[in-house]
Amino acid sequence: QSALTQPASVSGSPGQSITISCTGTSSDVGGYNYVSWYQQHPGKAPKLMIYEVSNRPSGVPDRFSGSKSGNTASLTISGLQAEDEADYYCYSYAGSYTFGVFGGGTKLTVL
Amino acid sequence: QVQLVQSGAEVRKPGASVKVSCKASGYTYTNYYTHWVRQAPGQGLEWMGWVNPNSGATQYAQKFQGRVTMTTDTSISTAYMDLSRLTSDDTAVYYCARVAGGYKYDFDSWGQGTLVTVSS
Repeated sequence: QSALTQPASVSGSPGQSITISCTGTSSDVGGYNYVSWYQQHPGKAPKLMIYEVSNRPSGVPDRFSGSKSGNTASLTISGLQAEDEADYYCYSYAGSYTFGVFGGGTKLTVL
Repeated sequence: QVQLVQSGAEVRKPGASVKVSCKASGYTYTNYYTHWVRQAPGQGLEWMGWVNPNSGATQYAQKFQGRVTMTTDTSISTAYMDLSRLTSDDTAVYYCARVAGGYKYDFDSWGQGTLVTVSS
């Protein structure tokens, strides 16, 4: 199973909005509404930011939102803040045989 | 509060095995599957498999089939990941993470990670 495709890097200035894409296939992203997004700061464990495409766990700011169209899911961060600078990974359920697959990760730089 | 506390860093020689533990607290252990995810230095996340603490059932990523064993001891709320025939490519931080039972597929809490170094 190939990793989901994410851009290697994105950047934005404080206050701006950015979107990170996550492209898969009809066997994973496009086939299920089980896409989640994780934020990872250097040397730290990942943190769940979005689950089931567009749901935010308690405590995650509403600046973070998720969506999906076809085989591509997206994470949007509005009102960028310095602490948003991190790596972001998407993950999708991929059926009972493969089970799950991560994206390659995107490094977000806040300019 | 929910906590997943992993065992400490390990160094192994090529061909050896390593066993990493993940002790859970702050929730009903048997209500959540334990998954294992690894991250090689400077690389992305890689899903390895899961263990169901109720039944002991497991599922492993095809890449690790035959080389990984995931187990659980419900009496001490601890999951284990055993990886054998190690090579330098297995040098990575290994994380455990929990996923709610039923139709849930997101990792809502993670361990702090365990660095496994494979070197001769």
